[in-house]
Amino acid sequence: EAGVAQSPRYKIIEKRQSVAFWCNPISGHATLYWYQQILGQGPKLLIQFQNNGVVDDSQLPKDRFSAERLKGVDSTLKIQPAKLEDSAVYLCASSPPLDEQYFGPGTRLTVT
Amino acid sequence: QKEVEQDPGPLSVPEGAIVSLNCTYSNSAFQYFMWYRQYSRKGPELLMYTYSSGNKEDGRFTAQVDKSSKYISLFIRDSQPSDSATYLCAMSYYGQNFVFGPGTRLSVLP
Repeated sequence: EAGVAQSPRYKIIEKRQSVAFWCNPISGHATLYWYQQILGQGPKLLIQFQNNGVVDDSQLPKDRFSAERLKGVDSTLKIQPAKLEDSAVYLCASSPPLDEQYFGPGTRLTVT
Repeated sequence: QKEVEQDPGPLSVPEGAIVSLNCTYSNSAFQYFMWYRQYSRKGPELLMYTYSSGNKEDGRFTAQVDKSSKYISLFIRDSQPSDSATYLCAMSYYGQNFVFGPGTRLSVLP
């Protein structure tokens, strides 16, 4: 079974620029999550999708972050404009409903 | 008070030791409890997944949940150098509101 795929793996941008991350979940997994993991901290949930609907986006900074999940499969997370404090690893995970999550390798973002 | 607290370590043990990792939490609504292992520059990998209180064993790993004390533990028996990683506890209620602890860094010395 193929795992969760993410791209790019690394990205360096200047502050105020925009950036987008892509995630392809495990086939058949209805639930998709985006997390932000700052160095030395645990992952923080940004948004949770069930199929293509949003279940929880309470911690998503909506003035600069947006996410979509077209057709209930792939998802993109966008930051516009980026701030220095957005430097982190962005993790995507997927799961069947009410079941354990499987994480991708993450995208390491550096904002300079 | 943070929602989930975990000793950040680092915790260093000799090979073969029994390791005890712990988390405390404040929200009594949490029903699902998980332990993840994260190697450097990798995504978290699920180790144990339990519902409500009780124990669960899988090979060298045992997870314990005490909801009355809001305390969860992960025990690793016969620890190996390959167990050296950061261990994250996580919890949720009814498949939502996932919260992770900050992680404990473990080093198992040969």
